[in-house]
Amino acid sequence: QQQVKQSPQSLIVQKGGISIINCAYENTAFDYFPWYQQFPGKGPALLIAIRPDVSEKKEGRFTISFNKSAKQFSLHIMDSQPGDSATYFCAASGPGSNYKLTFGKGTLLTVNP
Amino acid sequence: EPEVTQTPSHQVTQMGQEVILRCVPISNHLYFYWYRQILGQKVEFLVSFYNNEISEKSEIFDDQFSVERPDGSNFTLKIRSTKLEDSAMYFCASSETSNEQFFGPGTRLTVL
Repeated sequence: QQQVKQSPQSLIVQKGGISIINCAYENTAFDYFPWYQQFPGKGPALLIAIRPDVSEKKEGRFTISFNKSAKQFSLHIMDSQPGDSATYFCAASGPGSNYKLTFGKGTLLTVNP
Repeated sequence: EPEVTQTPSHQVTQMGQEVILRCVPISNHLYFYWYRQILGQKVEFLVSFYNNEISEKSEIFDDQFSVERPDGSNFTLKIRSTKLEDSAMYFCASSETSNEQFFGPGTRLTVL
């Protein structure tokens, strides 16, 4: 019940295109859903996060869409750039889990110039 | 901008040896975490620490592992009697509010 399932495993997008990464969770006690961006050899960097009281959150080119009834959330990267090429992890946490982050398996995004 | 720092960046050790991984969390943060990432895999929770005690630990975090906050700035992970399968990136994270966690750059542990 603690799993977070992420898809696709890898994604190739052309520069200027939209990248979409999806995640699904099982634990209804989760109340915080962040996305992290990780470059090779670096630590995960917090990109954007959402709580279940809103259905969408936008920060610049990055948007999280959240569907509470379906227990799904997704990351949309608009106007994808080669510099966005990285691994993206969704995660979830909540008071019932002492706020530890449960991560998805990651999506390797490649944006071709 | 404040950030989490970790030392060393790379630690090589022989199987059976003890290692201490060090972290300096962001100064006003109250919640501290260790995660690990085996090469090519997802990030896994190890332990959380709040108010000078462990608040939760995963099944990975057995008696081989311990954490300590020896002073007001450092947060350490000790791994006793290292095994080959302990080879991984170890990330420290800290949070002010228990949600927004900021990760350090990681320590790559290689056990030979």
